[in-house]
Amino acid sequence: SQQGEEDPQALSIQEGENATMNCSYKTSINNLQWYRQNSGRGLVHLILIRSNEREKHSGRLRVTLDTSKKSSSLLITASRAADTASYFCAKGAQKLVFGQGTRLTINP
Amino acid sequence: DAGVIQSPRHEVTEMGQEVTLRCKPISGHNSLFWYRQTMMRGLELLIYFNNNVPIDDSGMPEDRFSAKMPNASFSTLKIQPSEPRDSAVYFCASSLWGAFPSYEQYFGPGTRLTVT
Repeated sequence: SQQGEEDPQALSIQEGENATMNCSYKTSINNLQWYRQNSGRGLVHLILIRSNEREKHSGRLRVTLDTSKKSSSLLITASRAADTASYFCAKGAQKLVFGQGTRLTINP
Repeated sequence: DAGVIQSPRHEVTEMGQEVTLRCKPISGHNSLFWYRQTMMRGLELLIYFNNNVPIDDSGMPEDRFSAKMPNASFSTLKIQPSEPRDSAVYFCASSLWGAFPSYEQYFGPGTRLTVT
């Protein structure tokens, strides 16, 4: 079964707005990663957050982790059309288990 | 700096034919992963290698699937015989694993396989 489940499955917002995606998992983790996939392309690593971290930033990205709730969120601030993609969380070290992803559409 | 290279990018074949997908990992990386992506099942890990040795092939769906890594710069995923349900996008990814591992995986552009 999938260890990382994203929510919502699809999200459509206006350019400039913030986008928040959530990921839940079932068993304990050492770290959790977020990846982006543009249409027809491979996945690109965005950010990794370790189990002893609560928040991490990378540019316009902010990732939070709540191990008590077994959940993580990815926030993209000031969204741009180029942020249109699918976003996946992945649990594991070498053997990653990906969720089904959130399809994000940024409308101009 | 070249990323992960996969070939072919698109493959259309008839049921029963043999299909071979190829991957060249990033130079210096010692771990290689094969994934399959479909709408129904999402992204699934098929097999991964460390230092050219298969570590976990539990995701390989059937004996029709086989993967090899003869050297650090090349890997193949073979399907023989192919079936329509094998239609998917197959990704290869590589990473650096060792005393100071990097958990980040670098994905290739994928091979879109259609079996008719």
